[in-house]
This record gives sequence, C-alpha cells and structure tokens, in this order.
Amino acid sequence: QLQLQESGPGLVKPSETLSLTCTASGGSISSSIYYWGWIRQPPGRGLEWIGNIYYGGSTYYNPSLKSRVTISVDTSKNQFSLKLSSVTAADTAVYYCARQRTIVGATDAFDIWGQGTMVTVSS
Amino acid sequence: DIQMTQSPSTLSASVRDRVTITCRASQNISSWLAWYQQKPGKAPKLLIYKASSLESGVPSRFSGSGSGTEFTLTISSLQPDDFATYYCQQYNSYWTFGQGTKVEIK
Repeated sequence: QLQLQESGPGLVKPSETLSLTCTASGGSISSSIYYWGWIRQPPGRGLEWIGNIYYGGSTYYNPSLKSRVTISVDTSKNQFSLKLSSVTAADTAVYYCARQRTIVGATDAFDIWGQGTMVTVSS
Repeated sequence: DIQMTQSPSTLSASVRDRVTITCRASQNISSWLAWYQQKPGKAPKLLIYKASSLESGVPSRFSGSGSGTEFTLTISSLQPDDFATYYCQQYNSYWTFGQGTKVEIK
C-alpha cells in the first residue's frame, strides 16, 4: 500500500521560500494513472488545493497562488516537492501531499494522503 | 473559479440519526465531486468519489448523490466514529473544497 510522507522545515521566516518534499513508499510515483498534489489547511480552517504534478512534469497550480508556487518531481528518488516563495503569516498551515487518481485520463479524487506537516511563518 | 458552499456549517446529531450534508457548486460540475471525512489532527479520508461512488473500505452507511450543482452526503445511521468534519471537493475545473461541515454530538 502506497504511503506518503511530507518533510521540511517547520518554521520559515517571512519573505523567504517554503520548501517541502513528499516521499512515496510502497509504490511508484512514475505511474501513468496518478497525479500528485499539495493541499494546505490553516489552523482551524478548511482545505485549500495548492497544485498538482504528473510524473512527466506537467503541472496545475491554484490561480490564487500560481505566481509563488513551483511543484517538481524527482522520479529517481520517488519524491515530489513544493516551493512557495515570498511567504507571509497567511501561509502558516498544515501542508499535505496526496495522490490523485485519474479516470479515463481525467483527474479524480485524492485517495491517499500524507499525515501532514505544520509550517509556521514567523520571524 | 468554481465556489463550493456546504450547509450546514455545524450539525448536532445523536448516534443512529440519519444525517444529510449539502454541497452546492457555483456552476455545473457534472458528477465531478468527492466527499472527505477529517478528524482532528488527521489527514482527510476519501469517502465518496464521482458524486455517488463509495470508496473501497468505506462503510455502506455513507452515500452520496446529486449532479450538476447540488449534491448531498448522507450517513444513514450515525455511529460514534462518524463525529468529524466533512468536506466536499469539486474537480470539474481545477480543484476546490467546500468550507466544511462539523458533525458534533448532540
């Protein structure tokens, strides 16, 4: 059974770049039938989709974050990564990575999630 | 952008109650809707995909219905393990979550 694990700094200074990595185990990130995504959840609030990537490198980003987000994939390490630049306190959240299925080439729901990692933006 | 609106925001119910949560999309999303359950400190868990398909391993007391702009998640007989927050998510155009519905003990 595939498992996902987020890793990265728990504290980032304002205006700096948040960098997180999601490592997959028990399955390959190079599968053609999945996308890989990042979702975040500010404390006490709801879920916000950040972006997705396909193993071949194609990406989709939330328009509200697009100018600050970069998602990349490293199939040799079975990992995908998130970079969010120019962070502010509003970017403080639990960040989740997740697997997204496809149905006949179209994306489906997020069926496997990492446990999440808390990132605080503070000086 | 497609906006997703859930109602109610909070729902108080008792064990064995039938519970219904509504999710409305700001435009037609066909059946491209999922429902998730989230417990405090945990990642969301997929319950329903494509509006009415039950995810493998999810109890049959959970069901989803709807298409177009209006959708419902029904728990036929609420169990102690079901007290949690529930989110809908559209994936017709990008991916957007509803604001969540907390199901609490009455």
